[in-house]
Amino acid sequence: DTGVSQDPRHKITKRGQNVTFRCDPISEHNRLYWYRQTLGQGPEFLTYFQNEAQLEKSRLLSDRFSAERPKGSFSTLEIQRTEQGDSAMYLCASSLEGPWNYGYTFGSGTRLTVV
Amino acid sequence: AQKITQTQPGMFVQEKEAVTLDCTYDTSDPSYGLFWYKQPSSGEMIFLIYQGSYDQQNATEGRYSLNFQKARKSANLVISASQLGDSAMYFCAMRGTNTGNQFYFGTGTSLTVIP
Repeated sequence: DTGVSQDPRHKITKRGQNVTFRCDPISEHNRLYWYRQTLGQGPEFLTYFQNEAQLEKSRLLSDRFSAERPKGSFSTLEIQRTEQGDSAMYLCASSLEGPWNYGYTFGSGTRLTVV
Repeated sequence: AQKITQTQPGMFVQEKEAVTLDCTYDTSDPSYGLFWYKQPSSGEMIFLIYQGSYDQQNATEGRYSLNFQKARKSANLVISASQLGDSAMYFCAMRGTNTGNQFYFGTGTSLTVIP
């Protein structure tokens, strides 16, 4: 499988717990992105990595959120002290460096439910 | 600021008929790209078609075509010969010279193909 993989597909957690999601991009893609999609909305940008460097962060990425891409391959997104408002689909995407008409390849997302 | 507007929350189309999904955008970027993505119930965002702001011709990809009217800032997606598998959410998105590496998405249109 050469697509973008995300794990887990679904996560239910209690408010206040920490959760971590993993994204494995397409192996030759050096760029990796995280987006959040709430019900009835389009995806919203959270953060972007080029290789292991986190180059952009959205104001949506509060201090409870942290993302890493330690070796420039897979990435993790951690949410600490989850709140009900964190319930959403978390999408990962990857791309090659180049013109932006390359577009992205998205994964199938991790659906988080905070109860 | 970038803004994508999709005014059709839901659309129905008879199988084998054509359907147009509307998208208008607002940007001050001198150069930008417009994208359409399909999101089935599995959650993955699937790239459909791309239109560059300086492209002279409207983009086409198989049964998908993009009706690009730059002066009106619209980039409508036309799906010809609808199939049952086309039932999904459809998102219009934009990237530009000043948006960095992030997409701006609309709120989506839910398309249902009726047999």
